[in-house]
Amino acid sequence: GEDVEQSLFLSVREGDSSVINCTYTDSSSTYLYWYKQEPGAGLQLLTYIFSNMDMKQDQRLTVLLNKKDKHLSLRIADTQTGDSAIYFCAERRGSQGNLIFGKGTKLSVKP
Amino acid sequence: GAVVSQHPSRVICKSGTSVKIECRSLDFQATTMFWYRQFPKQSLMLMATSNEGSKATYEQGVEKDKFLINHASLTLSTLTVTSAHPEDSSFYICSASPTGGEKLFFGSGTQLSVL
Repeated sequence: GEDVEQSLFLSVREGDSSVINCTYTDSSSTYLYWYKQEPGAGLQLLTYIFSNMDMKQDQRLTVLLNKKDKHLSLRIADTQTGDSAIYFCAERRGSQGNLIFGKGTKLSVKP
Repeated sequence: GAVVSQHPSRVICKSGTSVKIECRSLDFQATTMFWYRQFPKQSLMLMATSNEGSKATYEQGVEKDKFLINHASLTLSTLTVTSAHPEDSSFYICSASPTGGEKLFFGSGTQLSVL
């Protein structure tokens, strides 16, 4: 199976919270990342979490990590139309290793 | 924050020509840079790891003679698609991390279209 899995689509209403889920397989991953990609653009680093942390909050973004279940989530509070994009979860193996990406979750925000 | 600059953003070329894509870290040094390829509505697939001053490490299935990588300095890596064919049309993205750092930053990508 895939190394990193995400649901492909999520639709929410403006002002609601969005929760994007991700599962990974390698328990030795050091860091886990969330990136945002808008059409035709590169990837924007949103946030990341070290594997020995459970939670990280940065303004509207909250990352939860359940290392036992290898489950990562990204919560976006007060979702705005500008948050519409594809969100990629990625794991990094080793401090200087490359990233292994999920297929991305397309977030659609309806006014 | 750290910036990775990638050029060109879009290129259209004829089949059989070569195309060079540049990836620069603007405000940090990067011993290692990564080159990814992304097909429409799909995830990023690692093509190769570019190491400053040494040969690149290619992923299985990636032709090293077709995708030439040069990492001549701590701030610049180039990917040359040689003798491009229509099947090479794709979105190519580079990434870099400050040496010893945990953040990995991405360029804005290059959309290659081979006619």
